[in-house]
Amino acid sequence: SFDLTQPPSVSVSPGQTASITCSGDKLGDKFACWYQQKPGQSPVLVIYQDNKRPSGIPERFSGSKSGNTATLTISGTQPADEADYYCQAWDSSTGVFGTGTKVTVL
Amino acid sequence: QVQLQESGPGLVKPSETLSLTCSVSGASFSSYYWGWIRQPPGKRLEWIGYIYYTGSTNYNPSLKSRVTISVDTSKKQFSLKLTSATAADTAVYYCARLSGSLTYAFDIWGQGTTVTVSS
Repeated sequence: SFDLTQPPSVSVSPGQTASITCSGDKLGDKFACWYQQKPGQSPVLVIYQDNKRPSGIPERFSGSKSGNTATLTISGTQPADEADYYCQAWDSSTGVFGTGTKVTVL
Repeated sequence: QVQLQESGPGLVKPSETLSLTCSVSGASFSSYYWGWIRQPPGKRLEWIGYIYYTGSTNYNPSLKSRVTISVDTSKKQFSLKLTSATAADTAVYYCARLSGSLTYAFDIWGQGTTVTVSS
């Protein structure tokens, strides 16, 4: 069955760039979106339709896709960006979330 | 400002039915799909299903035999029922708006409610 795989963790220094990948079979044929979840809080949509930012999301968050891998990039990472990040896509009308990536800002 | 609020029992006995309701305020109820997502402790998010205001539904195949999502447009509420609950259903349950204009991304989430299945 369709699944989305992410690295368990990514570490980044403040001000540097963090990249989180999300891989899945035939993901290239689907739209990916990304959610940020801070401890004890609800997820927040940060990217939809592969590379679009909802209103209110800082420009340092960007999305891209190449083949079957989607990537969330955080440029100029800030301490406030420390969180879990999940990708999500639809496969035959079934919603699937990625395995999740913990971003640590050291 | 759009707000979603989950409500329901925080403790459910094994084999009983887990029931939650999501109340929507500040948004046009008829223009969106409305979904349920859960997150077991320390695990990833899991999509449960969604409903359109017309009552049309779609469920996660892994839960389909036990899940029912219904809607009450007059109250701007939608509800989740999960039968034959087990400890594996212990999770934080979120309701969320599913936006077609955003290619079906969950753009607004409730605060979540913790449900524990235990005797």
